Amino acid sequence: DGGITQSPKYLFRKEGQNVTLSCEQNLNHDAMYWYRQDPGQGLRLIYYSQIVNDFQKGDIAEGYSVSREKKESFPLTVTSAQKNPTAFYLCASSISGIYTDTQYFGPGTRLTVL
Amino acid sequence: AQKITQTQPGMFVQEKEAVTLDCTYDTSDQSYGLFWYKQPSSGEMIFLIYQGSYDEQNATEGRYSLNFQKARKSANLVISASQLGDSAMYFCAMRGKSIKYNFNKFYFGSGTKLNVKP
Repeated sequence: DGGITQSPKYLFRKEGQNVTLSCEQNLNHDAMYWYRQDPGQGLRLIYYSQIVNDFQKGDIAEGYSVSREKKESFPLTVTSAQKNPTAFYLCASSISGIYTDTQYFGPGTRLTVL
Repeated sequence: AQKITQTQPGMFVQEKEAVTLDCTYDTSDQSYGLFWYKQPSSGEMIFLIYQGSYDEQNATEGRYSLNFQKARKSANLVISASQLGDSAMYFCAMRGKSIKYNFNKFYFGSGTKLNVKP
Protein backbone atom coordinates (compact mmCIF):
# COMPACT_ATOMS: atom_id res chain seq x y z
CA ASP A 1 0.00 0.00 0.00
CA GLY A 2 1.24 3.46 -0.87
CA GLY A 3 1.37 6.07 1.82
CA ILE A 4 3.33 8.30 4.15
CA THR A 5 4.87 7.04 7.36
CA GLN A 6 6.12 9.11 10.25
CA SER A 7 8.10 7.93 13.22
CA PRO A 8 8.07 7.96 16.10
CA LYS A 9 4.42 8.53 16.96
CA TYR A 10 5.36 10.09 20.30
CA LEU A 11 8.66 11.76 21.13
CA PHE A 12 9.93 13.26 24.33
CA ARG A 13 12.81 15.68 24.35
CA LYS A 14 14.81 17.20 27.11
CA GLU A 15 15.63 20.87 26.86
CA GLY A 16 18.81 21.48 24.89
CA GLN A 17 18.52 18.31 22.82
CA ASN A 18 18.15 18.02 19.08
CA VAL A 19 15.66 15.45 17.85
CA THR A 20 14.90 14.17 14.36
CA LEU A 21 11.45 13.26 13.10
CA SER A 22 11.28 10.77 10.27
CA CYS A 23 9.03 11.06 7.21
CA GLU A 24 8.99 8.51 4.39
CA GLN A 25 6.68 8.24 1.38
CA ASN A 26 6.31 5.57 -1.29
CA LEU A 27 3.86 7.52 -3.45
CA ASN A 28 6.58 8.67 -5.87
CA HIS A 29 5.71 12.27 -5.05
CA ASP A 30 8.17 15.03 -5.88
CA ALA A 31 7.03 17.55 -3.28
CA MET A 32 7.16 17.11 0.49
CA TYR A 33 6.22 19.38 3.39
CA TRP A 34 6.46 19.73 7.16
CA TYR A 35 3.75 21.39 9.22
CA ARG A 36 3.36 22.22 12.86
CA GLN A 37 -0.01 22.15 14.60
CA ASP A 38 -0.63 23.61 18.04
CA PRO A 39 -3.73 22.74 20.10
CA GLY A 40 -6.92 24.14 18.62
CA GLN A 41 -5.14 25.71 15.69
CA GLY A 42 -4.61 25.15 12.01
CA LEU A 43 -1.41 24.09 10.28
CA ARG A 44 1.68 26.23 9.82
CA LEU A 45 4.31 25.46 7.21
CA ILE A 46 7.82 24.82 8.51
CA TYR A 47 9.72 23.67 5.41
CA TYR A 48 8.91 22.41 1.95
CA SER A 49 10.80 20.63 -0.78
CA GLN A 50 9.67 20.55 -4.39
CA ILE A 51 12.43 18.26 -5.60
CA VAL A 52 15.30 16.16 -4.31
CA ASN A 53 18.28 18.12 -3.00
CA ASP A 54 16.25 21.31 -2.78
CA PHE A 55 14.18 22.71 0.08
CA GLN A 56 12.89 26.09 1.20
CA LYS A 57 11.93 27.69 4.51
CA GLY A 58 8.27 28.12 5.26
CA ASP A 59 6.51 30.47 7.65
CA ILE A 60 8.08 29.22 10.89
CA ALA A 61 11.46 27.68 9.98
CA GLU A 62 13.48 29.14 12.86
CA GLY A 63 14.84 26.38 15.10
CA TYR A 64 14.22 23.65 12.53
CA SER A 65 16.32 22.04 9.80
CA VAL A 66 15.62 19.51 7.04
CA SER A 67 17.36 17.49 4.35
CA ARG A 68 16.11 15.93 1.11
CA GLU A 69 18.74 13.51 -0.09
CA LYS A 70 16.26 10.96 -1.41
CA LYS A 71 12.91 11.42 -3.08
CA GLU A 72 11.23 9.20 -0.50
CA SER A 73 12.59 10.84 2.64
CA PHE A 74 12.28 14.27 4.24
CA PRO A 75 13.47 14.22 7.87
CA LEU A 76 12.91 17.19 10.17
CA THR A 77 15.34 18.08 12.97
CA VAL A 78 14.05 20.14 15.85
CA THR A 79 17.06 21.91 17.26
CA SER A 80 17.68 23.33 20.71
CA ALA A 81 17.21 26.77 19.15
CA GLN A 82 13.47 26.09 18.86
CA LYS A 83 12.20 27.63 22.08
CA ASN A 84 8.74 26.10 22.17
CA PRO A 85 8.84 22.81 20.24
CA THR A 86 5.99 21.01 22.01
CA ALA A 87 3.45 20.45 19.21
CA PHE A 88 2.02 17.97 16.73
CA TYR A 89 4.13 17.64 13.57
CA LEU A 90 2.64 16.53 10.27
CA CYS A 91 4.52 15.54 7.15
CA ALA A 92 2.81 15.70 3.76
CA SER A 93 3.53 15.09 0.11
CA SER A 94 2.04 15.89 -3.28
CA ILE A 95 2.77 14.76 -6.83
CA SER A 96 4.16 18.17 -7.67
CA GLY A 97 3.63 21.76 -6.68
CA ILE A 98 0.82 22.78 -9.02
CA TYR A 99 -2.36 24.16 -7.54
CA THR A 100 -4.51 21.17 -8.44
CA ASP A 101 -2.33 18.65 -6.62
CA THR A 102 -3.75 17.20 -3.43
CA GLN A 103 -1.53 17.06 -0.39
CA TYR A 104 -1.55 13.75 1.49
CA PHE A 105 -0.54 13.54 5.12
CA GLY A 106 1.23 11.09 7.38
CA PRO A 107 -0.12 10.09 10.81
CA GLY A 108 1.94 12.71 12.66
CA THR A 109 4.46 12.85 15.49
CA ARG A 110 3.59 14.35 18.84
CA LEU A 111 6.63 16.02 20.38
CA THR A 112 6.76 16.94 24.04
CA VAL A 113 9.57 18.82 25.75
CA LEU A 114 10.18 17.68 29.31
CA ALA B 1 -3.81 38.26 0.47
CA GLN B 2 -4.61 34.56 0.46
CA LYS B 3 -6.83 33.60 3.37
CA ILE B 4 -9.26 30.89 4.46
CA THR B 5 -11.98 31.61 7.02
CA GLN B 6 -14.01 29.03 8.92
CA THR B 7 -16.42 30.83 11.20
CA GLN B 8 -17.89 27.83 13.04
CA PRO B 9 -15.53 26.66 15.80
CA GLY B 10 -17.91 23.85 16.75
CA MET B 11 -21.10 22.26 15.48
CA PHE B 12 -23.50 19.54 16.53
CA VAL B 13 -25.56 17.38 14.20
CA GLN B 14 -27.94 14.51 14.81
CA GLU B 15 -26.94 11.16 13.40
CA LYS B 16 -28.36 10.55 9.89
CA GLU B 17 -28.98 14.24 9.28
CA ALA B 18 -27.08 16.42 6.81
CA VAL B 19 -24.71 19.15 7.94
CA THR B 20 -22.99 22.06 6.19
CA LEU B 21 -19.59 23.33 7.27
CA ASP B 22 -18.82 26.84 6.10
CA CYS B 23 -15.67 28.04 4.38
CA THR B 24 -14.92 31.33 2.68
CA TYR B 25 -11.71 32.24 0.96
CA ASP B 26 -9.93 35.31 -0.26
CA THR B 27 -7.67 35.35 -3.28
CA SER B 28 -6.95 37.46 -6.30
CA ASP B 29 -5.72 34.45 -8.28
CA GLN B 30 -7.69 32.96 -11.16
CA SER B 31 -6.23 29.48 -10.67
CA TYR B 32 -6.54 27.82 -7.29
CA GLY B 33 -7.67 24.61 -5.66
CA LEU B 34 -10.00 24.14 -2.70
CA PHE B 35 -9.71 21.14 -0.39
CA TRP B 36 -11.38 19.72 2.68
CA TYR B 37 -9.63 17.53 5.21
CA LYS B 38 -10.90 15.56 8.19
CA GLN B 39 -8.80 15.25 11.33
CA PRO B 40 -10.07 12.67 13.84
CA SER B 41 -8.74 12.58 17.38
CA SER B 42 -5.86 10.35 16.23
CA GLY B 43 -4.43 13.39 14.45
CA GLU B 44 -4.01 12.22 10.89
CA MET B 45 -5.28 14.62 8.22
CA ILE B 46 -7.52 12.72 5.82
CA PHE B 47 -8.24 14.20 2.39
CA LEU B 48 -11.97 14.33 1.62
CA ILE B 49 -12.70 16.34 -1.49
CA TYR B 50 -11.22 18.75 -4.04
CA GLN B 51 -12.66 21.54 -6.19
CA GLY B 52 -10.71 23.41 -8.85
CA SER B 53 -11.38 27.06 -9.51
CA TYR B 54 -12.33 26.33 -13.12
CA ASP B 55 -14.61 23.40 -12.31
CA GLU B 56 -18.19 24.31 -13.11
CA GLN B 57 -19.77 21.35 -11.39
CA ASN B 58 -19.71 20.94 -7.63
CA ALA B 59 -17.42 18.13 -6.52
CA THR B 60 -18.90 15.06 -4.86
CA GLU B 61 -17.25 12.09 -3.15
CA GLY B 62 -19.67 9.63 -1.62
CA ARG B 63 -21.45 11.38 1.27
CA TYR B 64 -19.34 14.51 0.83
CA SER B 65 -20.13 17.33 -1.55
CA LEU B 66 -18.58 20.73 -1.95
CA ASN B 67 -20.95 23.64 -2.51
CA PHE B 68 -18.75 25.93 -4.61
CA GLN B 69 -19.98 29.48 -5.11
CA LYS B 70 -17.19 31.26 -6.92
CA ALA B 71 -18.68 34.74 -6.96
CA ARG B 72 -19.24 34.61 -3.21
CA LYS B 73 -15.85 32.93 -2.67
CA SER B 74 -17.33 30.17 -0.60
CA ALA B 75 -16.59 26.44 -0.59
CA ASN B 76 -18.88 24.83 1.95
CA LEU B 77 -18.65 21.13 2.76
CA VAL B 78 -21.91 19.21 2.93
CA ILE B 79 -21.97 15.86 4.70
CA SER B 80 -25.12 13.87 4.07
CA ALA B 81 -26.48 11.21 6.41
CA SER B 82 -24.06 11.94 9.26
CA GLN B 83 -22.49 9.01 11.06
CA LEU B 84 -20.94 8.82 14.51
CA GLY B 85 -17.56 8.31 12.84
CA ASP B 86 -17.86 11.74 11.25
CA SER B 87 -17.11 13.37 14.60
CA ALA B 88 -13.80 15.14 14.02
CA MET B 89 -12.15 18.43 13.16
CA TYR B 90 -12.66 19.58 9.58
CA PHE B 91 -10.25 21.89 7.82
CA CYS B 92 -10.85 23.86 4.66
CA ALA B 93 -7.76 24.66 2.61
CA MET B 94 -6.90 26.57 -0.51
CA ARG B 95 -3.88 25.97 -2.69
CA GLY B 96 -2.74 29.07 -4.50
CA LYS B 97 0.26 31.02 -5.66
CA SER B 98 2.43 32.48 -2.92
CA ILE B 99 4.44 35.45 -4.10
CA LYS B 100 6.62 35.18 -1.00
CA TYR B 101 7.61 31.58 -1.67
CA ASN B 102 7.10 31.33 -5.44
CA PHE B 103 5.16 28.12 -5.20
CA ASN B 104 1.56 27.01 -4.76
CA LYS B 105 1.19 27.04 -0.99
CA PHE B 106 -1.61 25.51 1.06
CA TYR B 107 -3.56 27.95 3.21
CA PHE B 108 -5.55 26.32 6.00
CA GLY B 109 -8.52 27.56 7.97
CA SER B 110 -8.72 27.26 11.74
CA GLY B 111 -11.07 24.29 11.55
CA THR B 112 -14.57 23.32 12.66
CA LYS B 113 -15.12 20.64 15.29
CA LEU B 114 -18.11 18.50 14.35
CA ASN B 115 -19.90 16.38 16.93
CA VAL B 116 -22.42 13.82 15.71
CA LYS B 117 -25.02 12.93 18.32
CA PRO B 118 -26.65 9.48 18.44
